[in-house]
Amino acid sequence: SQQGEEDPQALSIQEGENATMNCSYKTSINNLQWYRQNSGRGLVHLILIRSNEREKHSGRLRVTLDTSKKSSSLLITASRAADTASYFCATDPTGNQFYFGTGTSLTVIP
Amino acid sequence: EAQVTQNPRYLITVTGKKLTVTCSQNMNHEYMSWYRQDPGLGLRQIYYSMNVEVTDKGDVPEGYKVSRKEKRNFPLILESPSPNQTSLYFCASSLSATHRYEQYFGPGTRLTVT
Repeated sequence: SQQGEEDPQALSIQEGENATMNCSYKTSINNLQWYRQNSGRGLVHLILIRSNEREKHSGRLRVTLDTSKKSSSLLITASRAADTASYFCATDPTGNQFYFGTGTSLTVIP
Repeated sequence: EAQVTQNPRYLITVTGKKLTVTCSQNMNHEYMSWYRQDPGLGLRQIYYSMNVEVTDKGDVPEGYKVSRKEKRNFPLILESPSPNQTSLYFCASSLSATHRYEQYFGPGTRLTVT
């Protein structure tokens, strides 16, 4: 399977702390995306990083990509209770199909 | 309001009884896709469509059919549902083949096949 894997599977932090989650994938990619899913709801797109980019920022989000290690990380700074959700990475090795990871469940304790 | 809608949101059915889950988007998006989400397996792509009358298999197409006769609609058809198709299903769309990466997801359809 070309599916990515997020690490850790679950993460619990205090409000105000930073949260870091990682994604590893198996084949070369065009782009990598991160999505957020609140419990039982549809996914919401957070950020896209292209294969020729190494780092990208969006508000409190920072994404890095290391294509040599086939891995990406998502950092959420100054976390809030509202950040409690599952986070997924998605890759598109063939350009038309998407492969999602199994997700990291983040709990931010107020 | 720009959105992707799915119907029904919840469905309990029996093995072998044909069903259709509808998906509609009001954003004039070209790219549409269906996913299933199962515990421990993440989201897996079932079928996708680059535009009207253009559909392709994703990672797990067995047991499913789709059609794209209109740009806004992308129904998912289970001709003979089986218990292993019990899952949470999501439809998604994006602007075009070029901008397909930012996908907008529907609210999900929870299907139980007994």
